[in-house]
Amino acid sequence: GAVVSQHPSRVICKSGTSVKIECRSLDFQATTMFWYRQFPKQSLMLMATSNEGSKATYEQGVEKDKFLINHASLTLSTLTVTSAHPEDSSFYICSARDSGTFNTGELFFGEGSRLTVL
Amino acid sequence: GESVGLHLPTLSVQEGDNSIINCAYSNSASDYFIWYKQESGKGPQFIIDIRSNMDKRQGQRVTVLLNKTVKHLSLQIAATQPGDSAVYFCAEMGPDNYGQNFVFGPGTRLSVLP
Repeated sequence: GAVVSQHPSRVICKSGTSVKIECRSLDFQATTMFWYRQFPKQSLMLMATSNEGSKATYEQGVEKDKFLINHASLTLSTLTVTSAHPEDSSFYICSARDSGTFNTGELFFGEGSRLTVL
Repeated sequence: GESVGLHLPTLSVQEGDNSIINCAYSNSASDYFIWYKQESGKGPQFIIDIRSNMDKRQGQRVTVLLNKTVKHLSLQIAATQPGDSAVYFCAEMGPDNYGQNFVFGPGTRLSVLP
């Protein structure tokens, strides 16, 4: 099946630094990708919808300037956590849908990136 | 709306027994459903899907049942194995959100006891 790759899988950074997480669709094109945040023992929380060639759509309560999303190509979206603080520590997951499939095709998920801010 | 910040219910089953995980979905217009499995520290993986023109679909050791009347979805796992221990999410999609993110249920943690 289709593969979505996330990198890095784990990252530890100091408070105040910025961290970039990449999400790549390896064998399909994705005009739309999704970024989630997941706290321990909780469900996925959609943060934003990443649109190739245009601005991301953020969910209510998610700071655009804090979580920068860039979707510069049909196979790559990046999430940058700017000026990270300990409360930003979380598990970040991306997903993508094959643009060539019907609108209700399944979402393929990345393996997630665990961010720890010291 | 999206499932946000809900703590996971837990289902514990004995190894070898059958597991039934339930999900109540919210939108009567939803017509496509997926069950995902998420192991600790990993992203969700596709298990099985079903469209609204079906009531039942079977995969390898898994069966999904859809009851549109009461907006209920269930995942049955036969002969549960230790490797089945994970969190299971149902996801729904309909005309309101075609091409967008699925609406995810809160998830259920399955623990398989030896």
